[in-house]
Amino acid sequence: EAGVTQSPTHLIKTRGQQATLRCSPISGHTSVYWYQQALGLGLQFLLWYDEGEERNRGNFPPRFSGRQFPNYSSELNVNALELEDSALYLCASSLGTSGDQETQYFGPGTRLLVL
Amino acid sequence: AQSVTQLGSHVSVSEGALVLLRCNYSSSVPPYLFWYVQYPNQGLQLLLKYTTGATLVKGINGFEAEFKKSETSFHLTKPSAHMSDAAEYFCAVGPGSSGDKLTFGTGTRLAVRP
Repeated sequence: EAGVTQSPTHLIKTRGQQATLRCSPISGHTSVYWYQQALGLGLQFLLWYDEGEERNRGNFPPRFSGRQFPNYSSELNVNALELEDSALYLCASSLGTSGDQETQYFGPGTRLLVL
Repeated sequence: AQSVTQLGSHVSVSEGALVLLRCNYSSSVPPYLFWYVQYPNQGLQLLLKYTTGATLVKGINGFEAEFKKSETSFHLTKPSAHMSDAAEYFCAVGPGSSGDKLTFGTGTRLAVRP
């Protein structure tokens, strides 16, 4: 069974640009979570999508946004990039209301570098 | 609100020695608790989890953890460290069976000396 996949693995942008990160959940999983792992700040929750709806949002500015597609894959968009957005962005998936919702399985991450 | 405290950002043990990584949590609801491991330049891998039932939980790679409600702890142990255990370990708490975000501790980096 394939795990959570993320693309691209690395992304280099300059300040003010936009970044788009993609995530495909494990087959059968309907919930997708996004976390930011920045140096010195640990793992911070960004967004939770389930069945195409945004269910919860962490303490991040509105320039962090995303969506979930009908096939349950997800996209994270970061607008007006700032230097401090440089981080590893991790996507996780879990079963939705049909099963074990509490266990999240993580992808390998996208490393974003903002210059 | 939920929070996790991991005591010791760095732990160093000799190969073959006991591994003990400490995790204390705070939760206003019965917690679901997790340990994840992160190898360099990789994502998080689930080691084990506690939801309900048996308080001693066994995971992959010989790790286990015990949920102690009275001490609000969920420490991770392994009887004998292996060089391949060198990684960063994260304790996390979740709100329960309905899903939603995990709250992570700051992580403990484990070094294993030959």
